[in-house]
Amino acid sequence: NAGVTQTPKFRILKIGQSMTLQCAQDMNHNYMYWYRQDPGMGLKLIYYSVGAGITDKGEVPNGYNVSRSTTEDFPLRLELAAPSQTSVYFCASLREDTEAFFGQGTRLTVV
Amino acid sequence: KNEVEQSPQNLTAQEGEFITINCSYSVGISALHWLQQHPGGGIVSLFMLSSGKKKHGRLIATINIQEKHSSLHITASHPRDSAVYICAVRSDKLIFGTGTRLQVFP
Repeated sequence: NAGVTQTPKFRILKIGQSMTLQCAQDMNHNYMYWYRQDPGMGLKLIYYSVGAGITDKGEVPNGYNVSRSTTEDFPLRLELAAPSQTSVYFCASLREDTEAFFGQGTRLTVV
Repeated sequence: KNEVEQSPQNLTAQEGEFITINCSYSVGISALHWLQQHPGGGIVSLFMLSSGKKKHGRLIATINIQEKHSSLHITASHPRDSAVYICAVRSDKLIFGTGTRLQVFP
């Protein structure tokens, strides 16, 4: 198993550009999550999914969109990037009976 | 008020000391997770608890569902234990506490 694969690791965006952060897991986990972590702060939930075709907003969803067309993939879309979206982004997955598994993180800078 | 509160926020210890980190939550949960984040940023899972107590090496985690409280203990702490320890509670969402920054000095 590869675990949770998150790409890219680093990205610099200009204000107003768009991008998609990719997250894939090969453990047949039904729950998947996207978080952002600002410097010195805790993780804030952006969006989550309890299974393919189902997504829901977390604490800080504004400026982001997600989709979950398959069990394996949970991409996060940033439209019209803003400096406030400069952060480190983490993807996580789990099943009800498992520990949580995390991607390596994406360090995004919007300039 | 945050749904998940951790204490203390920062903790320093001498090598060999017994460490306790506390987590309180205010929502119904199906499980509680303890995680570790090292300075490089990677996050690893330490425990998943739905009741009782778990032990792995020098780490012990307990949970009291009625009191909505969990503790993480580190016995015989070592400088390599220096990291941020995070409590997260799970229903459908997985909500994180703000973390406890632990530094263990030789």
